[in-house]
Amino acid sequence: NAGVTQTPKFRILKIGQSMTLQCTQDMNHNYMYWYRQDPGMGLKLIYYSVGAGITDKGEVPNGYNVSRSTTEDFPLRLELAAPSQTSVYFCASSHSDRPYGYTFGSGTRLTVV
Amino acid sequence: GENVEQHPSTLSVQEGDSAVIKCTYSDSASNYFPWYKQELGKRPQLIIDIRSNVGEKKDQRIAVTLNKTAKHFSLHITETQPEDSAVYFCAAWRQAGTALIFGKGTTLSVSS
Repeated sequence: NAGVTQTPKFRILKIGQSMTLQCTQDMNHNYMYWYRQDPGMGLKLIYYSVGAGITDKGEVPNGYNVSRSTTEDFPLRLELAAPSQTSVYFCASSHSDRPYGYTFGSGTRLTVV
Repeated sequence: GENVEQHPSTLSVQEGDSAVIKCTYSDSASNYFPWYKQELGKRPQLIIDIRSNVGEKKDQRIAVTLNKTAKHFSLHITETQPEDSAVYFCAAWRQAGTALIFGKGTTLSVSS
C-alpha cells in the first residue's frame, strides 16, 4: 500500500515548456486534489475531483489543466510554464467517508526559469 | 467562497511552554476543521480535527476548540517539545463535493 505517489520529485522547466505532474493513489479514494505551496502563502487549491470523469476548479486554476480518467490517477498539466508557477505541488486524496482527512503525496518541487 | 485566516504566522516558545494558534473562517456552513502538521521538507499530515457540533477535542498534548458563533477555532499544544517544531495549517471543510481551504500556516519553533 503505497498511499499517494507523486512523480517527479524535482523538475526544472524553461519558460514556455509543458509538463505533466503525475499523481496516483492505491487507497480506492474517490476524492483527489492538487494544491500548490508557496512560502508564507499556505496551500492553495488548484483543481479537485470527486470521482472519475469529474473535475472542478479551485482557488488558483489558471495555467493548469487536469483529467480524471480513472479512480487512481489525477495528473496535473502545465501547458506554457511561467516563472509564477515555480512552487511545490502537492497531490492529496481522501475517501468520501472522511473527505477532510487528506493523505498527501510527497510533493513535486518545480522551478521555472 | 470560504476564507480561512490564521494567526500568528510565526510563534517561538521555550520547551515546556504552551502554544496557541488561532484561525477564523468566513463560511458559516463549514462543518469540519482539521489541523495539519508539516515538518521541514515533508508532506502535511493530519494531527487532529473537530466537527462543528463539538466545542473541544483533546488528544494527549494537543487540543482544538471551536466557537461556532464567532467562527473561530484554535489549536492548543501543551508541554511543547522540540519535535513539535513545524508548520501548522488549519483548514475548513464545507460539504461533500468540495475541498479543504487552508490557512497560510504558522511556523512553530520550540527551543530547548
